[in-house]
Amino acid sequence: GQQVMQIPQYQHVQEGEDFTTYCNSSTTLSNIQWYKQRPGGHPVFLIQLVKSGEVKKQKRLTFQFGEAKKNSSLHITATQTTDVGTYFCAGLRDYKLSFGAGTTVTVRA
Amino acid sequence: SAVISQKPSRDICQRGTSLTIQCQVDSQVTMMFWYRQQPGQSLTLIATANQGSEATYESGFVIDKFPISRPNLTFSTLTVSNMSPEDSSIYLCSVSLGLLSSYEQYFGPGTRLTVT
Repeated sequence: GQQVMQIPQYQHVQEGEDFTTYCNSSTTLSNIQWYKQRPGGHPVFLIQLVKSGEVKKQKRLTFQFGEAKKNSSLHITATQTTDVGTYFCAGLRDYKLSFGAGTTVTVRA
Repeated sequence: SAVISQKPSRDICQRGTSLTIQCQVDSQVTMMFWYRQQPGQSLTLIATANQGSEATYESGFVIDKFPISRPNLTFSTLTVSNMSPEDSSIYLCSVSLGLLSSYEQYFGPGTRLTVT
């Protein structure tokens, strides 16, 4: 079945630094979605990418969808303590949404 | 986005009993889903709650264990039946508000279930 792999599982970041989390699918996706879950909270929809090679930005967050529509990345610049949480990607194919394992981000002040 | 509420927010239950979780949305939505998230883990789809018909279950989940109701377009329930400690998890309902083809999910606050 469809699998969405996400790396790294954990990301420990110094405040002010940049980092990237990656999402890879074994199959071509209709879209890729990103969610953020704060500690003790529920997942919150961030963004959806649909087109091959698409790039979208939300302030310090940059989301990319690969040319083959099999991979995606989330890059955060100048990390802040408010970025703490788990970031999930989710790939849609054949009306099935599969979530990656998530990247849990901690920030050192 | 929609405002989604769940009841109860948490519960501690004895093995062998059943718990029904309610999900209420402040607007009519076509698609509602039930997920399970075990501590520190990802989200696993249990089933799609269909209004007016039986829910569609994912592999590994069966109606006898997780019966679902969807009486209208704003409400759904998930029952966890004959519970065991392995059912301890967070149960989340979600709705999809975007285009039917996009499946973007908006989650409720979750129900934290502990089975002793």
